[in-house]
Amino acid sequence: DTAVSQTPKYLVTQMGNDKSIKCEQNLGHDTMYWYKQDSKKFLKIMFSYNNKELIINETVPNRFSPKSPDKAHLNLHINSLELGDSAVYFCASSRPGGVADTQYFGPGTRLTVL
Amino acid sequence: EDQVTQSPEALRLQEGESSSLNCSYTVSGLRGLFWYRQDPGKGPEFLFTLYSAGEEKEKERLKATLTKKESFLHITAPKPEDSATYLCAVGNAGNNRKLIWGLGTSLAVNP
Repeated sequence: DTAVSQTPKYLVTQMGNDKSIKCEQNLGHDTMYWYKQDSKKFLKIMFSYNNKELIINETVPNRFSPKSPDKAHLNLHINSLELGDSAVYFCASSRPGGVADTQYFGPGTRLTVL
Repeated sequence: EDQVTQSPEALRLQEGESSSLNCSYTVSGLRGLFWYRQDPGKGPEFLFTLYSAGEEKEKERLKATLTKKESFLHITAPKPEDSATYLCAVGNAGNNRKLIWGLGTSLAVNP
């Protein structure tokens, strides 16, 4: 009964390839996020969707394209992969309500670009 | 500019040796302060949310407190299984979803 799941867990690929990461949540949340965590462990927000609508779109190369087919799923497609894209990518979800909404994270996808 | 600074970067304790982790923040309207624990190779795991100065929350050996400028995560009589990176994040009242994250404190508890 995993709350936020991601596939794949590991992804090793060559520069220039295109790859996708998938995320699913079964918490009934309305909002989903993509984060990038670099080698220094800093969590950088990339995108967020609320009920399939893009609400956060940080300064990210346009090679990264999120897609939310429904509010339980958020995918991340990356074109023309570069060495600097190597990182751990986390999906998270939250349910807006109250003063602040808590984000719950998936297990991460470790992307290595060779 | 909204900012979160955590200290120390790394902390090594002996089992049973209590200590505190610090999270200093500047934000234009605090919507909430969040503490997470992250184990190697895993996603951040939610611990606490604090909303206003003076608020405290506890869970097992952990206690989080909040003032207008900082939050402390007190660890009482830690055990080796408390070893992890502890992350702090704040929500800005002007942006209902985006969190500003600190770099974390890496805690190691020796048996």
